[in-house]
Amino acid sequence: AQKITQTQPGMFVQEKEAVTLDCTYDTSDQSYGLFWYKQPSSGEMIFLIYQGSYDEQNATEGRYSLNFQKARKSANLVISASQLGDSAMYFCAMRGLFNKFYFGSGTKLNVKP
Amino acid sequence: DSGVTQTPKHLITATGQRVTLRCSPRSGDLSVYWYQQSLDQGLQFLIQYYNGEERAKGNILERFSAQQFPDLHSELNLSSLELGDSALYFCASSQSTGSGNTIYFGEGSWLTVV
Repeated sequence: AQKITQTQPGMFVQEKEAVTLDCTYDTSDQSYGLFWYKQPSSGEMIFLIYQGSYDEQNATEGRYSLNFQKARKSANLVISASQLGDSAMYFCAMRGLFNKFYFGSGTKLNVKP
Repeated sequence: DSGVTQTPKHLITATGQRVTLRCSPRSGDLSVYWYQQSLDQGLQFLIQYYNGEERAKGNILERFSAQQFPDLHSELNLSSLELGDSALYFCASSQSTGSGNTIYFGEGSWLTVV
């Protein structure tokens, strides 16, 4: 069965510091994709970053990077130089062979000035 | 702007009523997904369509139905509404259905059932 686990319901980080949001997943699929989305208080879901299961290098998109450790089945999101606008809910998601997207329960990030 | 358009953005309706939520996918995307996000159940996958055909079904109630039209827009119909149906309903789209295809979300439709 596919499963995404985010063990941090909430986190605080100081502005300009880096923060890591944890995500572990469980799948028996050989090919899968891992995604992170940001949901600000306004409600929209914003795509941040993608990592394919066969990608050997960790994905990066600006201040976002995905720390992919396949053997440990983890796909942590690292946000460098946090900004106040990064305060939001963050969801880890996985897409497997049968097209369904599985989402974790989310981590609420608060960036302190 | 993700390119996925959802209407209406906000909707308040009474119990027992029926509503229709509409979604236009990103240009070129063939696959449409519907999700429900409520406070107590998180983000729940409801249903997926690809080029007009149902491809995957999640936790969608029998009171809910959806379809994707030839022009690829999709509608989610919610009937016999209950208080517990109050939620944020997302439509999302992707180019196709491979595991590497990112899905892009619309801004959501906030449904309040009173």
